[in-house]
Amino acid sequence: NAGVTQTPKFQVLKTGQSMTLQCAQDMNHNSMYWYRQDPGMGLRLIYYSASEGTTDKGEVPNGYNVSRLNKREFSLRLESAAPSQTSVYFCASVLQISTDTQYFGPGTRLTVL
Amino acid sequence: GENVEQHPSTLSVQEGDSAVIKCTYSDSASNYFPWYKQELGKRPQLIIDIRSNVGEKKDQRIAVTLNKTAKHFSLHITETQPEDSAVYFCAASIGGSQGNLIFGKGTKLSVKP
Repeated sequence: NAGVTQTPKFQVLKTGQSMTLQCAQDMNHNSMYWYRQDPGMGLRLIYYSASEGTTDKGEVPNGYNVSRLNKREFSLRLESAAPSQTSVYFCASVLQISTDTQYFGPGTRLTVL
Repeated sequence: GENVEQHPSTLSVQEGDSAVIKCTYSDSASNYFPWYKQELGKRPQLIIDIRSNVGEKKDQRIAVTLNKTAKHFSLHITETQPEDSAVYFCAASIGGSQGNLIFGKGTKLSVKP
C-alpha cells in the first residue's frame, strides 16, 4: 500500500515549456486534489476532482489543466510554464470529500527558469 | 471569499514548555478542522482533527479546542520536544455540497533544547 505517489520529484523547465505532473493513489479514495505551496502562503488549491469523471477549479487554477484519468490517477498539466509557477506541488486524496482526512503525496518541486 | 487566519507565523519555545497556535475561520458552515504538521522537505501529515459537534479533543501531548460561536480553534502542544519543530497548518472545511479544505498560512514552531 503505497498511499499517494507523485512523479517526478524534481523538475526544471524553461519558460514556455509544458509538462504533466502525475499523481496516483491506491487507497480507493473518491476525491483527489492538487495544491501548490509557496513560502509564507500555505497550501492553495489549484484543482480538485470530487469523483471520477469530474473536475473543478480551486483558488488558483489559471495556467493549469487537470485530468482525472480513472479513480486512481489525477494529473496536472502546465501548458506553457511561467516563472510564477515555480513552487512545490502536492497531490492529495480523501475517501469522502471535506470531512475525512486528506492524505498527501511526497510533492514535486518545480522550478521554471 | 472564505479564509482561515493563523497566528503566530513563527513561534519559538524552550523544550518542555507549551505551544499554542490559533486559527480563525470565516465560513459559518465549516464543520471539520484538521491540523497538519510538515517537517522540512516532507509532505503535510495529519496530527489531529476535530468536528463541529465536539469542543475539545486530545491525543497524548496534543489537543485541539473549537469555539464555533467565535469561529476559532486552537492547537495546544504540551511538554514540547525538539522533534515537534516543524511547520503546522490549520484548515477548515468550506461549506456547501462539495466542501473542500482551506488552509491557514502556517506556523513555524521551533523548540530549543
